[in-house]
Amino acid sequence: DSGVTQTPKHLITATGQRVTLRCSPRSGDLSVYWYQQSLDQGLQFLIQYYNGEERAKGNILERFSAQQFPDLHSELNLSSLELGDSALYFCASSVAGGVHTDTQYFGPGTRLTVL
Amino acid sequence: GNSVTQMEGPVTLSEEAFLTINCTYTATGYPSLFWYVQYPGEGLQLLLKATKADDKGSNKGFEATYRKETTSFHLEKGSVQVSDSAVYFCALSDGGSSNTGKLIFGQGTTLQVKP
Repeated sequence: DSGVTQTPKHLITATGQRVTLRCSPRSGDLSVYWYQQSLDQGLQFLIQYYNGEERAKGNILERFSAQQFPDLHSELNLSSLELGDSALYFCASSVAGGVHTDTQYFGPGTRLTVL
Repeated sequence: GNSVTQMEGPVTLSEEAFLTINCTYTATGYPSLFWYVQYPGEGLQLLLKATKADDKGSNKGFEATYRKETTSFHLEKGSVQVSDSAVYFCALSDGGSSNTGKLIFGQGTTLQVKP
């Protein structure tokens, strides 16, 4: 158990819908990262928050957004869903925000299926 | 930009065989290097890491050495077990001026160990 929790574990929805994925980081970790794992794109970095503020953006679509709340949990919002958004979404956390030696601890993931 | 390339799988070995999974990287600056493992139906777990050149990371019988001269971080294990069957990801953490610890992953290598 990494100490990072993600809910829900599975999500099945229809095209055009909007969903929210939730992540709680390990106790004491200030940074949260979101990654998408799909068969064709592999594991890709989406976005990072550090202590409530956006720190870095990766290959995140404009239909996707995220935020980190004062209690440090984070939510990833996916809207106008398309079939191609079906993937496993991971959240990871680390102590600091821009230190490359930091270890990121991953949650179990949310599997999103768009029908 | 920064990138990671892993040997293609799947890799199929007999129990107690020697394992090598090749990983090479392209990066500016001085990234940290990681191996993560993903067991079926689970999230990513850190296997080992190295944060500077010539460092050797090790855990559970697995080892990898950060070779700056060959830009490599190959994963090795002397004697694999059936329980090592999983997908292995090599990753680097951006150590440049971007001020983020985001991970860039290789495409993953599936290891299957047969009794």
